[in-house]
Amino acid sequence: RKEVEQDPGPFNVPEGATVAFNCTYSNSASQSFFWYRQDCRKEPKLLMSVYSSGNEDGRFTAQLNRASQYISLLIRDSKLSDSATYLCVVKKGNNDMRFGAGTRLTVKP
Amino acid sequence: DAGVTQSPTHLIKTRGQQVTLRCSPISGHKSVSWYQQVLGQGPQFIFQYYEKEERGRGNFPDRFSARQFPNYSSELNVNALLLGDSALYLCASSSRDYRVETQYFGPGTRLLVL
Repeated sequence: RKEVEQDPGPFNVPEGATVAFNCTYSNSASQSFFWYRQDCRKEPKLLMSVYSSGNEDGRFTAQLNRASQYISLLIRDSKLSDSATYLCVVKKGNNDMRFGAGTRLTVKP
Repeated sequence: DAGVTQSPTHLIKTRGQQVTLRCSPISGHKSVSWYQQVLGQGPQFIFQYYEKEERGRGNFPDRFSARQFPNYSSELNVNALLLGDSALYLCASSSRDYRVETQYFGPGTRLLVL
């Protein structure tokens, strides 16, 4: 079993749609959680950290459930520019970050 | 301010050869991590260096080695290249070694092994 598993995707949605991505992790000692975005042939860039209380940044909402070892990302009012691969990331004590395989999102006009 | 820089951007090698990839972190950042990203997969952790010391190692063979210099730049070396080493190699820097610390990625080096 992979340490970090994500919805396989791809997700193809129209502009304005709401889309949700799920992620599960296997290591209960994991301490920090993130969502990264990666555009085609580019490097990953931090989208947002994920906190136990849940957090929101504009159209993006992230949730963490430590008991279920589950992370989610909700994107509201999808834009064409949201098209990318979204990577779920789990970090242990040091900078050993474990990435999921990513979920590809395509937002269509 | 300059972000993380990596060189070269692209590289073609043949099986059995050796390769050295270079990374310069963001100014003031002392931690550098290396990742391998195979097409269709997420990045896989290879090494982390902080203050010139190895602080973490992923599940990669001994053909992979790295070091960090006094100016915090880093090199990743891969010996006896295999076809399966073809990937995007990403370097990430952060200012600290621990806890919740954002890592900033460089554009990567695309390595093709023929």
